[in-house]
Amino acid sequence: DAGVTQSPTHLIKTRGQQVTLRCSPKSGHDTVSWYQQALGQGPQFIFQYYEEEERQRGNFPDRFSGHQFPNYSSELNVNALLLGDSALYLCASSFNWGASLAFFGQGTRLTVV
Amino acid sequence: AQTVTQSQPEMSVQEAETVTLSCTYDTSENNYYLFWYKQPPSRQMILVIRQEAYKQQNATENRFSVNFQKAAKSFSLKISDSQLGDTAMYFCAFIPNFGNEKLTFGTGTRLTIIP
Repeated sequence: DAGVTQSPTHLIKTRGQQVTLRCSPKSGHDTVSWYQQALGQGPQFIFQYYEEEERQRGNFPDRFSGHQFPNYSSELNVNALLLGDSALYLCASSFNWGASLAFFGQGTRLTVV
Repeated sequence: AQTVTQSQPEMSVQEAETVTLSCTYDTSENNYYLFWYKQPPSRQMILVIRQEAYKQQNATENRFSVNFQKAAKSFSLKISDSQLGDTAMYFCAFIPNFGNEKLTFGTGTRLTIIP
């Protein structure tokens, strides 16, 4: 069992650019959540996808969007990157309504310069 | 608003000793879930222990146990016989009720086990 896999592991982008991060859930999981972890902080919930739809969203602007594919994998897109978007982006997968038993990936470290 | 507070930014302890990490939270819900996650340098968030608020018995997982004080809204983690591999960031987290999928995290405690 490969667990939750995220790609890429590291990424450097220029302010104003757009970025796409990818997540493959643990085998058997159908729900994917995304978190942003700024340096020295705890993760902050961005949104959750289930059945290819956004089901719940945290306090993030519309520049943050996502997608879930029929195979349950997911993408996080961030438009018009700001320096403040530099962070570790974590993906968590679970069964439906199973966030209390979620598994996390190792994250993508995004640096905006 | 749901909040989680960890008041100890850093802690260190000698190998084989016992250490307790503190966490307080604020919620008006009754059937919530509390968690301790470990984040080693590999960055992956690993679930250490989980507690359902409706259960009075404190959760235990091998060397890890919690002291859940519902009235005081306190949820501390005790690590017994600490090992070098326990060195990591530890985050307290919270889900307010079943059906709410958002984990709310504290700011973390950096724990160092000294050989």
